[in-house]
Amino acid sequence: QVQLQESGPGLVKPSETLSLTCSVSGGSISGYYWSWIRQPPGKGLEWIGYILYSGSTNYNPSLKSRVTISVDTSKKQFSLKLSSVTAADTAMYYCARHRGYCNGANCYAWYYFDYWGQGALVTVSS
Amino acid sequence: QSVLTQPPSTSGTPGQRVTISCSGSNSNIGSNTVNWYQLLPGTAPKLLIYNNNQRPSGVPDRFSASKSGPSASLAISGLQSEDEADYYCAAWDDSLNSVVFGGGTKLTVL
Repeated sequence: QVQLQESGPGLVKPSETLSLTCSVSGGSISGYYWSWIRQPPGKGLEWIGYILYSGSTNYNPSLKSRVTISVDTSKKQFSLKLSSVTAADTAMYYCARHRGYCNGANCYAWYYFDYWGQGALVTVSS
Repeated sequence: QSVLTQPPSTSGTPGQRVTISCSGSNSNIGSNTVNWYQLLPGTAPKLLIYNNNQRPSGVPDRFSASKSGPSASLAISGLQSEDEADYYCAAWDDSLNSVVFGGGTKLTVL
């Protein structure tokens, strides 16, 4: 059974960079898309962006200037960096898996997330 | 403010059938497939429905969903106490170039 586990600091200071890692077990990291999704306290879900196992990325335009997602297939991990954080970035951060397909040289994601981690709460506060 | 609109809460008694609506626009639900998720505190979110009305393996057939134009709905029949959770709809939005979610509906089983 595929399992995802988020890890990283639970407290980040304003203006600093939030860093989280998602570890994948029970399945391959290759062949799939890997996303980060967050949920501020008392609010709804927000998609942050994805990385394909090969390294290509797609980010939510509203966060694109501050987001970097990377992958380390040898460690079966992918990571999120969100820079210049403010209190508005306080949220439960989830990692999730999704699938896609390739048509020749182009690959396309399907945007339903079939496996999720339990989430990591990150608070932005001085 | 979420792009997709869901009622904040709904409730039902055991055995009852409840529905949760999800309203969007032509740029999201109207032109892309809808997916539904169940969130329980302290657990990993669960995919309930994908591609408008498909159930992943292991999801009971008590859960069903449909889509019509820019709106979608999730139905839960034979309501059980373990169905008490938050439910979210989601879809790709062609204008925003992003996945968009509903604000979530809290289901209470009375």
